[in-house]
Amino acid sequence: QSALTQPASVSGSPGQSITISCTGTSSDVGSYNLVSWYQQHPGKAPKLMIYEVSKRPSGVSNRFSGSKSGNTASLTISGLQAEDEADYYCCSYAGSRVFGGGTKLTVL
Amino acid sequence: EVQLVESGGGLVQPGGSLRLSCAASGFTVSSNYMSWVRQAPGKGLEWVSVIYSGGSTYYADSVKGRFTISRDNSKNTLYLQMNSLRAEDTAVYYCAREGGRDAEYFQHWGQGTLVTVSS
Repeated sequence: QSALTQPASVSGSPGQSITISCTGTSSDVGSYNLVSWYQQHPGKAPKLMIYEVSKRPSGVSNRFSGSKSGNTASLTISGLQAEDEADYYCCSYAGSRVFGGGTKLTVL
Repeated sequence: EVQLVESGGGLVQPGGSLRLSCAASGFTVSSNYMSWVRQAPGKGLEWVSVIYSGGSTYYADSVKGRFTISRDNSKNTLYLQMNSLRAEDTAVYYCAREGGRDAEYFQHWGQGTLVTVSS
């Protein structure tokens, strides 16, 4: 199972919106509504931010949203804040589980 | 409150073995899907293995035949037995609780335990 494709880095200024893409295939992202997104700060464990493409766990800010079109899923963060600076990973169920390579978000 | 606490990491020589443990509290391990996910230094996340509530187990191709996932219901603990270790197995290993059937995402994570394979 090949890793999902994410941009290596994205950046934005405070208050702006950014979108991180996650491209898979018809065997993973395109076949299941089981895309999830994780935030990871340096030296910390990952944290679930979005599950089942667009659902937010309790306690996660509504500035985070998810969507999917075909074989590509997306995470959008609106109203960027300094604390959003972190690595973000997508993951899809595909019989097994497959992660994206990760995207480093820099808040300028 | 859900808590996952990994232990058992350390330095091991290539070809050696190590057993990781993940002690859970706030829920019952045997009633949940439980996974191990690893992260090599400076790299991304890689799913390693899952054990379903029914006991079925699955592995990433990179560890199949070398790693074994299991659980002890009496101790509410998840394990990962790692044999024939290679340098490329060096990583922080996280245990994670999944959402369950038709909810295959990682709801809760432990803090991780570092495994270093080196001579």
